[in-house]
Amino acid sequence: GAVVSQHPSRVICKSGTSVKIECRSLDFQATTMFWYRQFPKQSLMLMATSNEGSKATYEQGVEKDKFLINHASLTLSTLTVTSAHPEDSSFYICSARDGGQGDPYEQYFGPGTRLTVT
Amino acid sequence: QQQVKQSPQSLIVQKGGISIINCAYENTAFDYFPWYQQFPGKGPALLIAIRPDVSEKKEGRFTISFNKSAKQFSLHIMDSQPGDSATYFCAASLRYNTDKLIFGTGTRLQVFP
Repeated sequence: GAVVSQHPSRVICKSGTSVKIECRSLDFQATTMFWYRQFPKQSLMLMATSNEGSKATYEQGVEKDKFLINHASLTLSTLTVTSAHPEDSSFYICSARDGGQGDPYEQYFGPGTRLTVT
Repeated sequence: QQQVKQSPQSLIVQKGGISIINCAYENTAFDYFPWYQQFPGKGPALLIAIRPDVSEKKEGRFTISFNKSAKQFSLHIMDSQPGDSATYFCAASLRYNTDKLIFGTGTRLQVFP
C-alpha cells in the first residue's frame, strides 16, 4: 500500500516551453502533497506544499509563477514548469501524506521525474 | 535553527560491518525523525523513523539511536551488505508546521564485498 506514482519519469523539453509533471497517490487519499527538487549529489529541497482544494504554499526563493502547482483532487497534484530554462533541469520528486488511516507523520515519495531542458 | 546536519558525507564499509551515520539538529520542537534510503535515479524510501519519546528503535538490521539532550540521532546498519549501497538522508519534522520535512545533506554509503 501507500504508493505514489509520477508521470513522466523523464522528460526533455526545449528552452522556453512548459512541462507538466503529475503526481498521483494510487491507494490512499493525499490531503497534503509536497514537491521537491534535487540536483545531482545534493539533498532534497522542498519547493512547495499543497493541500487539496487550496493554493500551494511556496518555500522562500521558489517562484510561484514559474512553478505552478495544482492539487485539484485527493489523489492528484501537478507541477507545471513554465518557460523552462536549462537551469531548471533537475530531478523533481513529489511526496504525499495519507489523510486517512495512515501514519499522520509519514510522507510517501514518488519515483521522481528527470527534467532536462535543452 | 531549521537545519539538520548530517555526517559523514560518504562512508565506505566492508560487507558484514556496521555503518553508522549521524545527524544533529537545533530546533527542540522537531518531533519526528525519519531516515530515508535513495538509490540513483529513484525517489527516497522510508527506512525507519523515531519520535522523541523513544531512545532507540530497531527494525531488522536498521537501528535508530536518539539522544534528546544532545539533539542528535544516528542510523546504524548492522551486517552491512552490498545491496545497502545507496545515499541515506536523515530528516526532521515539525508536526504543527504542515509536516514539512527538513532533510540532512545525505551520506553516500558504499559497501564492498
